[in-house]
Amino acid sequence: QKEVEQNSGPLSVPEGAIASLNCTYSDRGSQSFFWYRQYSGKSPELIMFIYSNGDKEDGRFTAQLNKASQYVSLLIRDSQPSDSATYLCAVNDSGGYNKLIFGAGTRLAVHP
Amino acid sequence: DVKVTQSSRYLVKRTGEKVFLECVQDMDHENMFWYRQDPGLGLRLIYFSYDVKMKEKGDIPEGYSVSREKKERFSLILESASTNQTSMYLCASSYPGQGGFSGKYQETQYFGPGTRLLVL
Repeated sequence: QKEVEQNSGPLSVPEGAIASLNCTYSDRGSQSFFWYRQYSGKSPELIMFIYSNGDKEDGRFTAQLNKASQYVSLLIRDSQPSDSATYLCAVNDSGGYNKLIFGAGTRLAVHP
Repeated sequence: DVKVTQSSRYLVKRTGEKVFLECVQDMDHENMFWYRQDPGLGLRLIYFSYDVKMKEKGDIPEGYSVSREKKERFSLILESASTNQTSMYLCASSYPGQGGFSGKYQETQYFGPGTRLLVL
């Protein structure tokens, strides 16, 4: 069974701090990695994707990928209360059909 | 902008009823997916479709069926609703890709707003 593991949290950080969210995956053939944000009662929305080892930055968000360690992370700089949400890590299923395997999510709480 | 819509935001049904959930996407995507999401269990794939009239079982297909008669529309059917099917149902769509590593955007799934189903 292919799995994506995330700490369920909640991860509590003060406003302005860096929030660090982590994810490990079991499918060694995975090549595409995604972070989705999900507000309570809403559907997931894509915030970042990464394909290559290393860092990818987009505004306050940085995704980090280490395929050798099967590890993906998301850093949120200058965290805001509006960043409070559940963050889902997803990786492509190497078995095809463009399926994604989702983690259960990490709940982030940014307090003023 | 990709738009994925679902027929209802909230639905209340009785045990044993046949329930239809409909999903429509406007971006000519070939792949469509149905998930259910329950607290602590994350997103679980029920069924997916990679072409019109084509469907594949996901991880938890029991008690569900699907229909894809047109490219833009993917329906989830609960043949006889049960209380353990109370959940949030999410539809998603994506580009086809070429299988495996297929390049930018092609595996990104775009989600509809979700249907919160309560079975009494």
